[in-house]
Formats: sequence, C-alpha cells, structure tokens
Amino acid sequence: QQQVKQSPQSLIVQKGGISIINCAYENTAFDYFPWYQQFPGKGPALLIAIRPDVSEKKEGRFTISFNKSAKQFSLHIMDSQPGDSATYFCAATPDSGGSNYKLTFGKGTLLTVNP
Amino acid sequence: DAGITQSPRHKVTETGTPVTLRCHQTENHRYMYWYRQDPGHGLRLIHYSYGVKDTDKGEVSDGYSVSRSKTEDFLLTLESATSSQTSVYFCAISDLRASSTDTQYFGPGTRLTVL
Repeated sequence: QQQVKQSPQSLIVQKGGISIINCAYENTAFDYFPWYQQFPGKGPALLIAIRPDVSEKKEGRFTISFNKSAKQFSLHIMDSQPGDSATYFCAATPDSGGSNYKLTFGKGTLLTVNP
Repeated sequence: DAGITQSPRHKVTETGTPVTLRCHQTENHRYMYWYRQDPGHGLRLIHYSYGVKDTDKGEVSDGYSVSRSKTEDFLLTLESATSSQTSVYFCAISDLRASSTDTQYFGPGTRLTVL
C-alpha cells in the first residue's frame, strides 16, 4: 500500500526559529514530492516541490531536503514567522507523464509560530 | 483558488438523504479530483476524472459516486449519507499541459455535516 508517513503531528516554534517537518515513503516509484500549505478555512496550496534528481531545493525561507537512499524528505522553514502558522502536508506521486494525478498525502502537521 | 468553485460551501443533512456536491472550474484542466479531509487522516482521494465521462476510484470510494458530463463540472454524490461521511470535501484540478508547475490546484472546500 502506498503510504507517506509525516511527523510531527503538531509543532510549536518561536518566531525566528527553524521549523522542520519530516516525511518518509516506501514506494520507490514515487518521483515527485510536493509540499502543500493550508490555512484555516482554505484549500491546500502548493508551497514547494522536488524531484529525486536533486538533494535540496530552496525557495526563499522554505527548503526541501531529499534523501533518496533513506526514502525521506523534509521541509525546513527558516526564520519562521507567525504568518507561517498553517497545516503542512507532504505528498508523493509516481509522476506519470507529468500529470501527477493520484497524489498520496501525509496526514499533515499543524505548525504554530508564536510571536 | 485557481478558478475553482465548490457548491454548496456548507451543508447539514440527515442520515439517509442523498447529497450532491458540485465542483466547477474555469481553467479547462483535464484532471479533476475529489478528496475528503478528516482530522488525523489528512487528505484522502475519493474519485478522480481524467476526462469527460472518464472517472476512476480513489482510496476511499465506498458510498460515493461521481459524474463528469462536461470539462468544467465534476459532481460528487452521496447516495445515502451516513454520519461517517461528515467531513470537509475538496475538489482539485490539474492539467497535463502545465509545464513548469505540475501540481494540483484545490478549491475552497465544502463542509458537510450528516446528522
């Protein structure tokens, strides 16, 4: 069964700190790993994504680290801000022809950044 | 929300009644999806569509049916609602023609309560 295991379930960080969320997968056919950010009352929105040909991808304060041999990937939020408080989902898919349908999601991490 | 609307946004119904949720897109995207989101379970795929009149089951399809008679509309039907179907339902779309950002775009969600 395709699974993506995400931890922790919840995370509290002080403003300016580093938030780290981890995900692990088992299906070696997965080759596209997006992270989604969801604010209360809204739908999830793509935050950043990585393919396994690179070990790290950075966009502003958000970085994905990818370890193919360990089948793990993580999201790092540097200089965390109260506005980053949201639920974060990792996901994975075998990227069949670029359609990335049938994403498998982790169960989510509720991040709270205290001012 | 990338030209995606969901209706209704909120609904309260009674056990045993039929319920239809509508997803409407203005992006002319080929793929459409229905997810449910529950605490502790993240996002789980119910059904998806890869074209007009082409649909397939997802992870949690029991008790749900879908229809897509035109590109822009994807309907989710609960034939006889049960309390276990109380959830937040999200529609998503994606497009093979998206080149640099292969991703799913999510609608604002429908909160369904089955009493």
